[in-house]
Amino acid sequence: GAGVSQSPRYKVAKRGQDVALRCDPISGHVSLFWYQQALGQGPEFLTYFQNEAQLDKSGLPSDRFFAERPEGSVSTLKIQRTQQEDSAVYLCASSLRDSLNTEAFFGQGTRLTVV
Amino acid sequence: QQQVKQSPQSLIVQKGGISIINCAYENTAFDYFPWYQQFPGKGPALLIAIRPDVSEKKEGRFTISFNKSAKQFSLHIMDSQPGDSATYFCAADVYIGNQFYFGTGTSLTVIP
Repeated sequence: GAGVSQSPRYKVAKRGQDVALRCDPISGHVSLFWYQQALGQGPEFLTYFQNEAQLDKSGLPSDRFFAERPEGSVSTLKIQRTQQEDSAVYLCASSLRDSLNTEAFFGQGTRLTVV
Repeated sequence: QQQVKQSPQSLIVQKGGISIINCAYENTAFDYFPWYQQFPGKGPALLIAIRPDVSEKKEGRFTISFNKSAKQFSLHIMDSQPGDSATYFCAADVYIGNQFYFGTGTSLTVIP
């Protein structure tokens, strides 16, 4: 596709419900990042994939958060037993991430509201 | 702990004026400093980026000034236009690192 695509754009979940957020990166992009953006704040790093390998998950706030990228393209961020503090915009970014190309391209995000 | 500190939080500028946003960092391992522009409901988009081997980079109306000794960098928007009204984020990274560290953002409003 032309850009990073995320779905759904909006998700309302009842507290305790599990949610799955999808990211379709730009074709051929090796690196994929997930960020969490609270209202009025900058994006905060959650996790990083290089192809199918999750190389850094240091930003995941709890063990309720899980991300995967099984075939090195599409990625899913899963949040189990959602809590109100999980309400945020979840951004996905992809990048070629080689010595010449460092730009990360962001999707429009999924706005999660936990009620 | 905020790795990158950004100011001001909000900025109002007259059309044609200069907008200046400042960022500071502590981690001397950072060696890539991008600026992102974000419109409401959209993801951040790369505006301009600099590496610390230069003190200034200009692209059109946008200029990054970089002061390595002070560990500070700033974005200057010349001839600001209403279409520039957006939130701007500075960020820092170890080149081809695993993550970007973002500032808290500056909401810019350019008044016609």
